[in-house]
Amino acid sequence: DAGITQSPRHKVTETGTPVTLRCHQTENHRYMYWYRQDPGHGLRLIHYSYGVKDTDKGEVSDGYSVSRSKTEDFLLTLESATSSQTSVYFCAIQGGLSSYNEQFFGPGTRLTVL
Amino acid sequence: QKEVEQDPGPLSVPEGAIVSLNCTYSNSAFQYFMWYRQYSRKGPELLMYTYSSGNKEDGRFTAQVDKSSKYISLFIRDSQPSDSATYLCAMNYGGSQGNLIFGKGTKLSVKP
Repeated sequence: DAGITQSPRHKVTETGTPVTLRCHQTENHRYMYWYRQDPGHGLRLIHYSYGVKDTDKGEVSDGYSVSRSKTEDFLLTLESATSSQTSVYFCAIQGGLSSYNEQFFGPGTRLTVL
Repeated sequence: QKEVEQDPGPLSVPEGAIVSLNCTYSNSAFQYFMWYRQYSRKGPELLMYTYSSGNKEDGRFTAQVDKSSKYISLFIRDSQPSDSATYLCAMNYGGSQGNLIFGKGTKLSVKP
């Protein structure tokens, strides 16, 4: 277990409401990532962080924002949820025993936007 | 052309068979190659990690990278029903560009 938790694990919300997903790590890793996984698209990067208050956009960042005020927490916010954001969201941390480039994933958050 | 191509399957094999899973990619700058296993409704689990060309073996699993052909493979020997899952290939440039580019995954079913 890479020491990553995500909350909530499941969420149903309505179009137009704000939603925040949390990723928490116990490993003190610098790099953290948010991906979404959709049928037919695979896993795609939303945003990533390379340190406290240091974040950057990924491939599918529109409609999402992130924040990282502590090393251990990386938050993903949907400012105004849309049905196209129904997906499974995974957080990942980078850094392993074998190589700094290994990435380990959390259990995921299943989000449904009605 | 997608950066990483992976046949989605599904692939069905009998228990004990050798399984070959493959991905091709278009960007020769990729340096690090990974294989993940994902069970239904779970997060991806890192199986194999390789840097540049060559082979790496871990138990029943062998990862192979051929950078000249832009082709990576994962072999599973003596496949078991517990190997039934979706297998994702992933790669990145390394360094500060650590975000992974994934294939869409191949769904494998190992029948007893």
